[in-house]
Amino acid sequence: GDSVTQMEGPVTLSEEAFLTINCTYTATGYPSLFWYVQYPGEGLQLLLKATKADDKGSNKGFEATYRKETTSFHLEKGSVQVSDSAVYFCALSDRSFGNEKLTFGTGTRLTIIP
Amino acid sequence: NAGVTQTPKFRILKIGQSMTLQCTQDMNHNYMYWYRQDPGMGLKLIYYSVGAGITDKGEVPNGYNVSRSTTEDFPLRLELAAPSQTSVYFCASSNPGTEGNTIYFGEGSWLTVV
Repeated sequence: GDSVTQMEGPVTLSEEAFLTINCTYTATGYPSLFWYVQYPGEGLQLLLKATKADDKGSNKGFEATYRKETTSFHLEKGSVQVSDSAVYFCALSDRSFGNEKLTFGTGTRLTIIP
Repeated sequence: NAGVTQTPKFRILKIGQSMTLQCTQDMNHNYMYWYRQDPGMGLKLIYYSVGAGITDKGEVPNGYNVSRSTTEDFPLRLELAAPSQTSVYFCASSNPGTEGNTIYFGEGSWLTVV
């Protein structure tokens, strides 16, 4: 079945540091890939997505590129801020079976210190 | 822009009690979902629905029931609550026909069974 493997956390960085959170996946069909962010006490919000190979999703300074050859969708940001502290979830949606169920990774907790 | 609305936000249940988590969406989405999130884990799909009158089991359906009598509403029923059902519950919706495979989440319902 489909699965998402995400970089283990927690991750602690200083403000303005470079961020990478690794995500790899296995899927039988042609998945779309997502990063969701969960701020403390809130629900999940879509951060960015990519629907086909070589697509780059971007939002709020975050980027991730859909790499089919390495089955990866790593999240990056050049200069993190304290407000980026949250839990980040990588997810995939495989439409091979005609519906849109998400499969999630376990999440990576990111803490940015001033 | 209400989106996906869940109630209640917090609830404490005693073992053996029953309750219903309410979920409504105002985006006219066909697909709706219930996920649970356990500490340090990703989200697990409990039940989903692809339209009014149609429901299907997800990955962890035991101990739960759902119904979908209207497009807008997708309540989740817990019968005979158990401590293992202590979790955060997220309702979500999507409309693959018009919005691709982006899934929108509610803010979550924190449930404790004691």
